Amino acid sequence: AQSVSQHNHHVILSEAASLELGCNYSYGGTVNLFWYVQYPGQHLQLLLKYFSGDPLVKGIKGFEAEFIKSKFSFNLRKPSVQWSDTAEYFCAVNMDSSYKLIFGSGTRLLVRP
Amino acid sequence: SAVISQKPSRDICQRGTSLTIQCQVDSQVTMMFWYRQQPGQSLTLIATANQGSEATYESGFVIDKFPISRPNLTFSTLTVSNMSPEDSSIYLCSVEGTGGNYGYTFGSGTRLTVV
Repeated sequence: AQSVSQHNHHVILSEAASLELGCNYSYGGTVNLFWYVQYPGQHLQLLLKYFSGDPLVKGIKGFEAEFIKSKFSFNLRKPSVQWSDTAEYFCAVNMDSSYKLIFGSGTRLLVRP
Repeated sequence: SAVISQKPSRDICQRGTSLTIQCQVDSQVTMMFWYRQQPGQSLTLIATANQGSEATYESGFVIDKFPISRPNLTFSTLTVSNMSPEDSSIYLCSVEGTGGNYGYTFGSGTRLTVV
């Protein structure tokens, strides 16, 4: 079955540390890829998305993600995290231009000041 | 991107009762989506609602339990029927991005607790 895996369920970092959150999907066809963030008490917000073109995608708030097709991965990165990045991060995929989004299980990031 | 208003934001309901959640979008959209986020888990698509046709339900979700209305291009409701504690979740409305922005926008969610 098609699925999305986020291997890091909880991540704790100190401010200024670098961040990389893993996301892998299981599907061999065309995919659109998304990272969403949910800050405490707030609704889901789109961080960045990949549809085609340059596999290195830049999003809001200094986040970027790289699509590596051969590895079925779309990892999220930020070179220097801030306390305000404390949130839950969800990777999501839709496959073959389907409207259905399949979400990963989410990663809770805690950034200590 | 579209702005979604979802009501109620939270509710505590007795088992056996039903709750209707409303989703209002500030622009016309073809498809509206309803998701469920169970405690500690990720989001799962319940159904897709198109105006003028029956909603399309995902595996594991049925119309009798989660009836959906879509009376026009800016509004939809999801009803959680005959509730049990297992229905305690956050329910979210979502729409596809417009104007070339192909992300999906989510409402703020309805946090439902069934006692």
